[in-house]
Amino acid sequence: QKEVEQDPGPLSVPEGAIVSLNCTYSNSAFQYFMWYRQYSRKGPELLMYTYSSGNKEDGRFTAQVDKSSKYISLFIRDSQPSDSATYLCAMSAMVAGTALIFGKGTTLSVSS
Amino acid sequence: GAVVSQHPSWVICKSGTSVKIECRSLDFQATTMFWYRQFPKQSLMLMATSNEGSKATYEQGVEKDKFLINHASLTLSTLTVTSAHPEDSSFYICSARVVEAFFGQGTRLTVV
Repeated sequence: QKEVEQDPGPLSVPEGAIVSLNCTYSNSAFQYFMWYRQYSRKGPELLMYTYSSGNKEDGRFTAQVDKSSKYISLFIRDSQPSDSATYLCAMSAMVAGTALIFGKGTTLSVSS
Repeated sequence: GAVVSQHPSWVICKSGTSVKIECRSLDFQATTMFWYRQFPKQSLMLMATSNEGSKATYEQGVEKDKFLINHASLTLSTLTVTSAHPEDSSFYICSARVVEAFFGQGTRLTVV
């Protein structure tokens, strides 16, 4: 079993839809959870960071972490064509000197 | 958020030559930086962890003599692809963490 599982999609939605992206993980020691957006041929851009369990909202984006279920989600409200990208979940147990463990990424396409 | 700058963004080189990629943390000090490789439509694969003032730690299967890493200061890490071959063509990305991880823009290397 991989440490982080993420459905690669692709996921296609119409403009204005609510998008739900999810990852599951197996390591209960993970505490730091991040979501990144990556456009083609660009470095990943940090969207959301959550420590431990709970919800976090930033504009149209909401991140949720459920440590009891080892499940994290990213919701995008009022999706826009500019949201079309690959979304990567990432996590780690510690910070100092520790690389993130990534999911495979979900490719999202928002049509106008 | 913190800024990580990577240079060059793309490079084409002849087979057998060496290529150096620079990664700088612009507004914070990074004792540790990370180097990733990404193939088309795939997630990031950690190659090595770069430690300021000491030897890099390479992931299993990564040739340390081919991918030379130097972390000479708290704001600069370099990756040198030595004696490059067409199979080394890929997208290379560096990263540094405060708590969240921030990524450079990536370098697209094409070896001809």
